[in-house]
Amino acid sequence: DQQVKQNSPSLSVQEGRISILNCDYTNSMFDYFLWYKKYPAEGPTFLISISSIKDKNEDGRFTVFLNKSAKHLSLHIVPSQPGDSAVYFCAASDPPRGGGNKLTFGTGTQLKVEL
Amino acid sequence: EAQVTQNPRYLITVTGKKLTVTCSQNMNHEYMSWYRQDPGLGLRQIYYSMNVEVTDKGDVPEGYKVSRKEKRNFPLILESPSPNQTSLYFCASSLSNYQGSEAFFGQGTRLTVV
Repeated sequence: DQQVKQNSPSLSVQEGRISILNCDYTNSMFDYFLWYKKYPAEGPTFLISISSIKDKNEDGRFTVFLNKSAKHLSLHIVPSQPGDSAVYFCAASDPPRGGGNKLTFGTGTQLKVEL
Repeated sequence: EAQVTQNPRYLITVTGKKLTVTCSQNMNHEYMSWYRQDPGLGLRQIYYSMNVEVTDKGDVPEGYKVSRKEKRNFPLILESPSPNQTSLYFCASSLSNYQGSEAFFGQGTRLTVV
């Protein structure tokens, strides 16, 4: 049962245009969401996060939008650059149950930014 | 440099031969965890540790053991590896147990069990 879903395995965008990566979740107890970026032969690196009390968080070229009623979040990258080509994982965090920082990950979206 | 270090990076082994993948972090993080990444399944948590001598199962703990004798180290032990444990493994650490605390990942260990 995949609680965090990224339905697009891949996305191709031209340099300079907007990249929109989508993520859906089913568990209404999730209340913190993160995006990680992964290059080949490297571990995932943190990109941006959002708390469920917000609907938008922006950091430079990266903006994450959260629609709680639809259980949907998206990552916008504007403008897209070739160095953004990577796999992007959406992750969600449960409230602590006696502690812990368990992240539930989606399956990832491979973004390719073309010249 | 702040980092999470896993060893080895690549490992091919035979069914049933015990192995250990080491993980060490130099950020004094309390929380550490192990994930495996498989095609079409994303990253799934195997085990986690909230502090020294405190460990607990994640979503897919079967066939794995862990220990946390020191704050910086969190080895993953496969007592009797099987081919279905062929996967890409990541160790991660985060500063605290605070929900949503950013996790730092190691570079991964690609394990093949034949």
